[in-house]
Amino acid sequence: AQSVTQLDSHVSVSEGTPVLLRCNYSSSYSPSLFWYVQHPNKGLQLLLKYTSAATLVKGINGFEAEFKKSETSFHLTKPSAHMSDAAEYFCVVSGENQGGKLIFGQGTELSVKP
Amino acid sequence: NAGVTQTPKFQVLKTGQSMTLQCAQDMNHEYMSWYRQDPGMGLRLIHYSVGAGITDQGEVPNGYNVSRSTTEDFPLRLLSAAPSQTSVYFCASSRQGGTSGRSYNEQFFGPGTRLTVL
Repeated sequence: AQSVTQLDSHVSVSEGTPVLLRCNYSSSYSPSLFWYVQHPNKGLQLLLKYTSAATLVKGINGFEAEFKKSETSFHLTKPSAHMSDAAEYFCVVSGENQGGKLIFGQGTELSVKP
Repeated sequence: NAGVTQTPKFQVLKTGQSMTLQCAQDMNHEYMSWYRQDPGMGLRLIHYSVGAGITDQGEVPNGYNVSRSTTEDFPLRLLSAAPSQTSVYFCASSRQGGTSGRSYNEQFFGPGTRLTVL
């Protein structure tokens, strides 16, 4: 069975400081991993995805994530937070033999202070 | 392209009423799915479809029905609404594809329907 755990339900940073949102996954097979962002009262938008190519994945708006199989982690980072980054972030896994289904983490709410 | 559209945006029902949430996409995607979003629980898969005429249950299917008569449309029916179904519902679509049933395609999400059941 697959699962995703986002280690922090809420993260608060100051504008201009680094962002780290942590995600651990559990999968019996090589997974595909995604990060989605949801701004208030909006739908979800894909930030980046890992599908067994390069382990360091670059996404939109300066975000990147590194797939670490030995640690079963897929943490999301950004060197310098912007006020517009305030949103909820979801780590998502799709595993083999799952018919393309996605399993979502519980979400991490990112607050950015001026 | 309009992408994924959902109607209505907001709905209030009384316990026991039935209704259909509409979802349509114009990207010719094979894969469509319905999720519900509740605070602190992320998104949970209700039902999904890998093509016209084919549907399957997700993680929380009870109380919901779906059908897929065309590639474009994937309505979600609440048979007899209950307060536990108060939630925000998202429809999503993507191209089918991956290896060994694993998806590597981006899912495109609609704007959501906020449903309250009294």
